[in-house]
Amino acid sequence: TQLLEQSPQFLSIQEGENLTVYCNSSSVFSSLQWYRQEPGEGPVLLVTVVTGGEVKKLKRLTFQFGDARKDSSLHITAAQPGDTGLYLCAGERTSGTYKYIFGTGTRLKVLA
Amino acid sequence: EPEVTQTPSHQVTQMGQEVILRCVPISNHLYFYWYRQILGQKVEFLVSFYNNEISEKSEIFDDQFSVERPDGSNFTLKIRSTKLEDSAMYFCASSLSLGEKLFFGSGTQLSVL
Repeated sequence: TQLLEQSPQFLSIQEGENLTVYCNSSSVFSSLQWYRQEPGEGPVLLVTVVTGGEVKKLKRLTFQFGDARKDSSLHITAAQPGDTGLYLCAGERTSGTYKYIFGTGTRLKVLA
Repeated sequence: EPEVTQTPSHQVTQMGQEVILRCVPISNHLYFYWYRQILGQKVEFLVSFYNNEISEKSEIFDDQFSVERPDGSNFTLKIRSTKLEDSAMYFCASSLSLGEKLFFGSGTQLSVL
C-alpha cells in the first residue's frame, strides 16, 4: 500500500527558478520529515514538522505541514545546482512507533 | 559530526548464500533501523531494534532476515539464503530516541547473482 505519494516524480528546472514538491497521503501522521539523498549516499534529514499548519524555513527551503497532518510541501526559492538530488518525505504514523514510512521521492535537477 | 558507518560498501553474492551486513551506529544512540532501497524505487522500512530486541518489522522482513547487536557497537543484518530480489541498497540508521532525527549510513549495495 502506497501511503505517501510525492509529486512531481521528476523535476528539471533552471537555476534561479522556484519550485514546490508535494507529499500527500490519506493517512494522518504524527510527524513528517524531509530528507535529501545524493547518489550512492544515505538520506540526510532536512527538517521535521510535527504540528498541523507548521511552517519551517531552512535558508531557501520552506517546509509546511498540512493542517490535518496528512500532507506536506517543500518550496525552494531561487534553486541552485547544489539543490540537485532526490527529495524524500517520511512520515511517522503514530507517535512512539519505531518506523518511518518513506514517500515515493522527487528527483530534482537544477541546471546552471 | 558523528556518523553511522556501514561495511562493506558493496557486496556481491550468489543466490542462496548467506550475507551479513554490518553497521556501527552512533555511539550514544539507542534505536537502530534497517531500510532498503531497490534501484529506482523508494526507501522501504525493514526493521527497528531497541533494547536488544526487534521493536517493529515490515512484511519484507521474513524468516530469512535477522538482526543482531552482538556487542556494544555493531548492529548487523543477516540474510540467510539470498534471493535475486534481495538485490538493493541497504541502509542502517540510528536515532537517539523515538521521533528524533534518523542518521543514515552510506549504505551497502548488495548484488545477488
